[in-house]
Amino acid sequence: DMQMTQSPSTLSASVGDRVTITCRASQSISTWLAWYQQKPGKAPKLLIYKASSLQSGVPSRFSGSGSGTEFTLTISSLQPDDFATYFCQQYNDYSYTFGPGTKVEIK
Amino acid sequence: QVQLVESGGGVVQPGRSLRLSCAASGFPFSNYAMHWVRQTPGKGLEWVAVIWYDGSRKYYADSVKGRFTISRDNSKNTLYLQMNGLRAEDTAVFYCATEGNSGGYYAGLQNWGQGTVVTVSS
Repeated sequence: DMQMTQSPSTLSASVGDRVTITCRASQSISTWLAWYQQKPGKAPKLLIYKASSLQSGVPSRFSGSGSGTEFTLTISSLQPDDFATYFCQQYNDYSYTFGPGTKVEIK
Repeated sequence: QVQLVESGGGVVQPGRSLRLSCAASGFPFSNYAMHWVRQTPGKGLEWVAVIWYDGSRKYYADSVKGRFTISRDNSKNTLYLQMNGLRAEDTAVFYCATEGNSGGYYAGLQNWGQGTVVTVSS
């Protein structure tokens, strides 16, 4: 079974910081990876698909990279609205597994 | 604008059944594959099932295979999830979501409903 891990599980940062979250897959998934942002009590919001494609309407401070088994989500300059939990999700062979999430907190 | 509204959640005893619905509007529903995803505080987000735009293919997470059935009625712009043999570990918020499509390829779960809560308890 495909397993997804994320690091760190929690991240404390300040407004204006550059933030990087890592997602690893237990086997190669090419670039079939998406990133989501979720705020408390709300549904997840798609940020990035196919590892590096920015979803329409998402600010350009969000970017994704990686292929194979290691991927990163970068926020170039953290804004107050960005404090949330971030999940990666892989797609492989009609299975869509989420990572455990990374909570970005105010430092 | 795109709207997805889930309904049908509630409290149910272990072993019983429940059917969730997801009413879609604001986009050509019959053109999109649709997913169910659930979330628990302890297990995070868990993908449950997907159905092709025309209902021709369906895939399930191992944890629900044989117990849950995804279906859709494109004439009613509605997605369903029939859940049988419910267990305590099925307790979660259930979301429906549209699959993004970029050049015929998977492009993430683009639009989500607000979720409906399912509690399995005696």
